[in-house]
Amino acid sequence: AQTVTQSQPEMSVQEAETVTLSCTYDTSESDYYLFWYKQPPSRQMILVIRQEAYKQQNATENRFSVNFQKAAKSFSLKISDSQLGDAAMYFCASGGTYKYIFGTGTRLKVLA
Amino acid sequence: DTAVSQTPKYLVTQMGNDKSIKCEQNLGHDTMYWYKQDSKKFLKIMFSYNNKELIINETVPNRFSPKSPDKAHLNLHINSLELGDSAVYFCASSQGNRVNYGYTFGSGTRLTVV
Repeated sequence: AQTVTQSQPEMSVQEAETVTLSCTYDTSESDYYLFWYKQPPSRQMILVIRQEAYKQQNATENRFSVNFQKAAKSFSLKISDSQLGDAAMYFCASGGTYKYIFGTGTRLKVLA
Repeated sequence: DTAVSQTPKYLVTQMGNDKSIKCEQNLGHDTMYWYKQDSKKFLKIMFSYNNKELIINETVPNRFSPKSPDKAHLNLHINSLELGDSAVYFCASSQGNRVNYGYTFGSGTRLTVV
């Protein structure tokens, strides 16, 4: 069975500081992908970053980067220089064939 | 021009009614999905269609019936609505059966059953 676990229901960060959101996963697929999605109050699901599991290099998208530890099945998201607009629910997801499994989400608050 | 559009955005209805949610994508994707997000924000897949064929049905009550008239459309019909059906329903699409490039999500339909 595939599972995705986000152990931090809520996190806070000061504006301009760095925060790391944790995610662990388990999958039976040999070829899979990992994602972080952002859901602001508008409820739109926005893809933040993706990681191909067969690549060792950690993905980076501007202020967002991941720390992918395949052996530990860990996929954390680091947000640098946090901005007020980063406040949202963040979902980690594992995907292989036809579907994602999502974690339960982490609510990120950004303090001015 | 919205890539994945769902209608309606909000739906309030009484228990026992039948309702439909429509989804259309203009990305040329061949795979579409329905996800349910409950009140605790948990997202769970309900159905997946590839080229109009049902690929995934995740133990969803048979009151929920998806229909895909073509690969650009995936509708969700719900019979005999119950209070527990209240949730946000997301439509999404991707190219092929591999989700490697990520889904494109619609903006969701908030269903409230009273």
